[in-house]
Amino acid sequence: AQTVTQSQPEMSVQEAETVTLSCTYDTSENNYYLFWYKQPPSRQMILVIRQEAYKQQNATENRFSVNFQKAAKSFSLKISDSQLGDTAMYFCAFMKARGTGNQFYFGTGTSLTVIP
Amino acid sequence: DTEVTQTPKHLVMGMTNKKSLKCEQHMGHRAMYWYKQKAKKPPELMFVYSYEKLSINESVPSRFSPECPNSSLLNLHLHALQPEDSALYLCASSLTGGAQPQHFGDGTRLSIL
Repeated sequence: AQTVTQSQPEMSVQEAETVTLSCTYDTSENNYYLFWYKQPPSRQMILVIRQEAYKQQNATENRFSVNFQKAAKSFSLKISDSQLGDTAMYFCAFMKARGTGNQFYFGTGTSLTVIP
Repeated sequence: DTEVTQTPKHLVMGMTNKKSLKCEQHMGHRAMYWYKQKAKKPPELMFVYSYEKLSINESVPSRFSPECPNSSLLNLHLHALQPEDSALYLCASSLTGGAQPQHFGDGTRLSIL
């Protein structure tokens, strides 16, 4: 079975500062995908970044980057130059690479507040 | 603007009512999903349709009945719901049923009286 753990239920950061959200996971799969989704108060789940386990290079997407440590099963999200619009619930998610109808295994989420 | 459209955005119904939630996407995706989400919790997968066929049913009570009339449309028929079914219901789609990112709609906020 796959499990995803987000150990920080709530975090806050000053506008323009950098914040790191942690995520660890457990799996016996060798090939898989990891995702970070954000869910602002508007409710829509928005894909922030995606990492393929077989790629050693950390994924980046503008101000968002990940620190993927496969051996440690760690997948943290760094948000640089935080903006007020980054205020949201952030979910880390795992997905197996094989099979069809694949499902997400979500962490419990981290509520991030950006303070003006 | 979201590319996955869900209607209605809010729904209040009694325990004896019958209603339906609708989800539509025009991205050519062939996999569609229903999730249930309680406040401050992650989404829980309910159903997966892959190429218009039900591929995953996560032991959801029969008072929830999914339907996929075509590759762009996904419905969730509701009947005799319980107060604990009050939640946000999210629809998502992905290009295929494989390891693809899922695109989510804004959800339907459902309240059962």
